Amino acid sequence: LAKTTQPISMDSYEGQEVNITCSHNNIATNDYITWYQQFPSQGPRFIIQGYKTKVTNEVASLFIPADRKSSTLSLPRVSLSDTAVYYCLVALYSSASKIIFGSGTRLSIRP
Amino acid sequence: NAGVTQTPKFQVLKTGQSMTLQCAQDMNHNSMYWYRQDPGMGLRLIYYSASEGTTDKGEVPNGYNVSRLNKREFSLRLESAAPSQTSVYFCASSESGTGSYSSYEQYFGPGTRLTVT
Repeated sequence: LAKTTQPISMDSYEGQEVNITCSHNNIATNDYITWYQQFPSQGPRFIIQGYKTKVTNEVASLFIPADRKSSTLSLPRVSLSDTAVYYCLVALYSSASKIIFGSGTRLSIRP
Repeated sequence: NAGVTQTPKFQVLKTGQSMTLQCAQDMNHNSMYWYRQDPGMGLRLIYYSASEGTTDKGEVPNGYNVSRLNKREFSLRLESAAPSQTSVYFCASSESGTGSYSSYEQYFGPGTRLTVT
């Protein structure tokens, strides 16, 4: 079963835009792509979700190409408080038993 | 609303001991999930319950059993704990319907940190 793939870690500076890409080659036709944020000693928290093209909310944007085999989470003007682990989630084959969290990307923001 | 609550927050077991992790949600969600997260790793699905009265295996079900006691509560039981089950356990809940499970936002509890010696 092909799992999602993300960079292990990324570094950036306050005020910069950060883009994190997740690959999900076996995504099913009706699966959504969801991104979660996790701070140390806490459960993950929903950030954004999309099916295709582009989705934007007050904290992030999500870009999904036409083939949907990857997605990119974009965080505009990051701050120190954005330091966290970011996971992309798909449910391959549209079954809850196949819910796959990526390995996560540890994002570190420096002053 | 408390959201998703888990008890206990911390637990230390000896190899072979049993215990039950409790989870409850007050959002009237149909679906509930149990995940484990090993140090420095992502989350792996242990079991889930699509609705009251149903449970199914996830990616790593061996060594665990679950009970969907009612719509609010979903418990995870370790019958004979092993050091390999040392982990942080998260419970989550979501709405459900006819769409893909990944289309429903999951709400996570604060986690139970379990150590098996």
